[in-house]
Amino acid sequence: QKEVEQDPGPLSVPEGAIVSLNCTYSNSAFQYFMWYRQYSRKGPELLMYTYSSGNKEDGRFTAQVDKSSKYISLFIRDSQPSDSATYLCAMSRGGGADGLTFGKGTHLIIQP
Amino acid sequence: DGGITQSPKYLFRKEGQNVTLSCEQNLNHDAMYWYRQDPGQGLRLIYYSQIVNDFQKGDIAEGYSVSREKKESFPLTVTSAQKNPTAFYLCASSGVGVTNEKLFFGSGTQLSVL
Repeated sequence: QKEVEQDPGPLSVPEGAIVSLNCTYSNSAFQYFMWYRQYSRKGPELLMYTYSSGNKEDGRFTAQVDKSSKYISLFIRDSQPSDSATYLCAMSRGGGADGLTFGKGTHLIIQP
Repeated sequence: DGGITQSPKYLFRKEGQNVTLSCEQNLNHDAMYWYRQDPGQGLRLIYYSQIVNDFQKGDIAEGYSVSREKKESFPLTVTSAQKNPTAFYLCASSGVGVTNEKLFFGSGTQLSVL
């Protein structure tokens, strides 16, 4: 079993829909959870950063972490065509980014 | 503007040739990283450095070398020993303390074999 599992998609939804992106993981020692957005042939940019379980909201984006289920989610409300990108989840035990484990990314397409 | 600059954007390597990818940051970050991204594979850590003149191997260091002579610079050399070098290479940096998991990425270098 891989440490971090993420459905590669593509996930195609109409503009204005609520998008749900998810990752599951197997290492119960992970404490820090991140979501990165990557446009084609660009570097990833950090969207959300969460420590331990709970929710975090930033504008149209909400990150949820359920450590008991080893499951994290990113919700995008009122999705826009500009949200079309690959979304990577990442997580670590703490102590530095050299311990980050990335998911393979989900390719999201928002249809105008 | 503060950020990470990678160059060149595209690079071609002939068989048996070593090539060097440049990475410069002006974020005053102590730690720097090199990742390789292949289609459908996600990001894999090649090398990282937490301080000048020190660096550690990541998960896939074979066929690569790095140096960290200055805080701002972390060049990656893809040697002829790397038999499958075609990939998208990403440089990143992070601070220290409670935010040291937050990576800031450059715009990447696409390396292809001629």
